[in-house]
Amino acid sequence: AQSVTQPDIHITVSEGASLELRCNYSYGATPYLFWYVQSPGQGLQLLLKYFSGDTLVQGIKGFEAEFKRSQSSFNLRKPSVHWSDAAEYFCAVAPYSGNTPLVFGKGTRLSVIA
Amino acid sequence: DTGVSQDPRHKITKRGQNVTFRCDPISEHNRLYWYRQTLGQGPEFLTYFQNEAQLEKSRLLSDRFSAERPKGSFSTLEIQRTEQGDSAMYLCASSPLEVTSGRGKAQFFGPGTRLTVL
Repeated sequence: AQSVTQPDIHITVSEGASLELRCNYSYGATPYLFWYVQSPGQGLQLLLKYFSGDTLVQGIKGFEAEFKRSQSSFNLRKPSVHWSDAAEYFCAVAPYSGNTPLVFGKGTRLSVIA
Repeated sequence: DTGVSQDPRHKITKRGQNVTFRCDPISEHNRLYWYRQTLGQGPEFLTYFQNEAQLEKSRLLSDRFSAERPKGSFSTLEIQRTEQGDSAMYLCASSPLEVTSGRGKAQFFGPGTRLTVL
């Protein structure tokens, strides 16, 4: 069965600092990969997705993620964090396509300090 | 697109009562999903539809849970005889089906319905 691991439960960064959120997946083939962001009490907003092709994908709000097949990883990065980025971030995988059930990690909560 | 909408946003009920949630997907999205999210966890898949057909149900979906999408547009999720363990955020998502390749695109989520069972 597919699984997603987000090793960091909570990360605190200073505003303006760079950010990397880790995501590792367990699946035999290359899955479809996603990052979502969730503000408190809200639904999930899609940040970016990887289906195939270029392993560095750009998303909204200045985020990017890099797919590394050898490491089964899909880490999310942002060069300069803004206070409004404070939220919960979820990595998700789908085994067959973008419109089959997603398997989510447990999430990483991002706090931003001045 | 107006986005995925869910109603109600919050529901408080007493143990043993029945509750029903509604989800309106993005128009013309063929697939509709239900997920459940408990505090401190990622969403977990419950069930999904392609048009009016229910394609898959998770083992998380006990007999007390039923979902429908009668006309292939909106969907309802009903929980009968609610238990305190049912307290969670219930998320709905929809996605288009890419006919040419079948690979489809991403899922777009609604704001969720937060259920509290007392």
